[in-house]
Amino acid sequence: AQKITQTQPGMFVQEKEAVTLDCTYDTSDPSYGLFWYKQPSSGEMIFLIYQGSYDQQNATEGRYSLNFQKARKSANLVISASQLGDSAMYFCAMREFRGSQGNLIFGKGTKLSVKP
Amino acid sequence: NAGVTQTPKFRVLKTGQSMTLLCAQDMNHEYMYWYRQDPGMGLRLIHYSVGEGTTAKGEVPDGYNVSRLKKQNFLLGLESAAPSQTSVYFCASSPTGTSALQYFGPGTRLTVT
Repeated sequence: AQKITQTQPGMFVQEKEAVTLDCTYDTSDPSYGLFWYKQPSSGEMIFLIYQGSYDQQNATEGRYSLNFQKARKSANLVISASQLGDSAMYFCAMREFRGSQGNLIFGKGTKLSVKP
Repeated sequence: NAGVTQTPKFRVLKTGQSMTLLCAQDMNHEYMYWYRQDPGMGLRLIHYSVGEGTTAKGEVPDGYNVSRLKKQNFLLGLESAAPSQTSVYFCASSPTGTSALQYFGPGTRLTVT
């Protein structure tokens, strides 16, 4: 079973509008972290936002916010006031804290295109 | 502060050739990782290391070997390259296994013909 599911292969949004990118996760570990990364066409992985499983409040970083619904196991990324530079692939990832690996488990990504 | 660097950035290999990808970090991180990214996929873990001198297999380790002789360097080796290893390879580092931080290198684009 997939641990991270991103059901939207591609999304379009009008410039200056808000957009929500979906992410659901599956884990039996009570302690974990959820990440969102942006990958522009240049290829680098850019960290956007982090949410710990015990954090009481939803994380926010500038125009990015993470809508964390623990009972539903969802961690959607909300980008407010989209800009043309937001066009990129977006990956949701999870880090399970039980065990020694500490690696990130990635979803397949969502390609966001911002229209002028 | 260079963060995580990867060498080389691009490489083309013929089937059967060998090569080593170098990852270096200057943040004194204990944990280091090698991932591969294929079209339409997220990153998948190849091998990882939780400290100098230790390595372990990830999700897709076949055809690769790694070494962590120095804390700051994590090497990924392909002994006999195959077309299926055509991919973009990312190295990452993290201070601990539970940190909110995982820093990525810029990636290495490898093509095996």
